[in-house]
Amino acid sequence: KAGVTQTPRYLIKTRGQQVTLSCSPISGHRSVSWYQQTPGQGLQFLFEYFSETQRNKGNFPGRFSGRQFSNSRSEMNVSTLELGDSALYLCASSLLTGSGNTIYFGEGSWLTVV
Amino acid sequence: AQTVTQSQPEMSVQEAETVTLSCTYDTSESDYYLFWYKQPPSRQMILVIRQEAYKQQNATENRFSVNFQKAAKSFSLKISDSQLGDAAMYFCASPYAGNTPLVFGKGTRLSVIA
Repeated sequence: KAGVTQTPRYLIKTRGQQVTLSCSPISGHRSVSWYQQTPGQGLQFLFEYFSETQRNKGNFPGRFSGRQFSNSRSEMNVSTLELGDSALYLCASSLLTGSGNTIYFGEGSWLTVV
Repeated sequence: AQTVTQSQPEMSVQEAETVTLSCTYDTSESDYYLFWYKQPPSRQMILVIRQEAYKQQNATENRFSVNFQKAAKSFSLKISDSQLGDAAMYFCASPYAGNTPLVFGKGTRLSVIA
């Protein structure tokens, strides 16, 4: 069974540009969550989608947005990139939503903003 | 504010020895789940073990076990017979409330000395 797949794995963008990251969950999983990981702030929750609806949102500016498609694949978008957006972006999927469900992570997308 | 605290930024252990990583958490729920994840240099987060709070029995997965103290809101991870492949960052995670996303601690970097 394939795991969580994130693309692209590495990318470099310039300040002011926008970026879209993609996540394909484990087959059958309907919940997708996104986390940002930086050395200073650790792992911070961005948002969670379940059945194409945003269920939870973290404390990030509106430049960070996401969506989920009918096949459960999810994308997140960051507009007007800032240097501080450089981070590892981790996607995780779970069968259902709710705190009792184990989440499984992808390998992450490394974003560098220059 | 929801918090998960890992008080040991770094730990080291001799190969074949036992090490315990500490974690305390805060939650508004009486029934919840707790998780330990491992992040090796590849940066993919891997589930190590999960504990259901309503179960008094501590969870065990091969060489990994937990010491769950519900009243103290403490959830430590014990690694027995440590192996070189156990070297990684270890994150403790807990949801603050029933349908909120996981909150992660800052992590403990574990080194295994041959």
